[in-house]
Amino acid sequence: QVQLVQSGAEVKKPGASVKVSCKASGYTFTSYGISWVRQAPGQGLEWMGWISAYNGNTNYAQKLQGRVTMTTDTSTSTAYMELRSLRSDDTAVYYCARVLGVGAHSQIDYWGQGTLVTVSS
Amino acid sequence: QSVLTQPPSASGTPGQRVTISCSGSSSNIGSNYVYWYQQLPGTAPKLLIYRNNQRPSGVPDRFSGSKSGTSASLAISGLRSEDEADYYCAAWDDSLSASVFGGGTKLTVL
Repeated sequence: QVQLVQSGAEVKKPGASVKVSCKASGYTFTSYGISWVRQAPGQGLEWMGWISAYNGNTNYAQKLQGRVTMTTDTSTSTAYMELRSLRSDDTAVYYCARVLGVGAHSQIDYWGQGTLVTVSS
Repeated sequence: QSVLTQPPSASGTPGQRVTISCSGSSSNIGSNYVYWYQQLPGTAPKLLIYRNNQRPSGVPDRFSGSKSGTSASLAISGLRSEDEADYYCAAWDDSLSASVFGGGTKLTVL
């Protein structure tokens, strides 16, 4: 069965960076993409961006351009999301999700369990 | 402010039929598929409806989706207590070249 297992909770100070991992299993990793979606406490879902596990192509949300980097390691079927220059409003649960297709034809079907990132001085 | 607009809350009694709306524009719902996700308390979202009205295997046929123009709806018939959750609509936005979500609707089963 498809599983996306994320790394554990993180506490960071403002200005620091965080890197969250997402290990995939149960499917051919390079046949799908990975999107990252975050959810601030008590708030809705916010799409952060997407990476192709096939060729590493990325598409980031405009508001995060310059602060976020998504990568994959096909040898371990693991996706990573690094967010830099952390601010208090980056405090959220970060989800990775499997994506079938690209762009307008993309479809998120399976989600990781989420990783809580807390930014606090 | 979310690109897609959903009512913040909805409610119904067991056995009732409820609908949740999702309003967008020509650059998202008007020209692309709509997806619906269910998020039970304290858990990750789960795909409920894809490509406007398709159900993944395992999703009960009590859940149905529809789309007309720049709006979409999720209908839940035979409401059950375990349906109490947050529901989110999503679509690709051609102008933003990004996936966009609605703000979510909290469904309460009275």
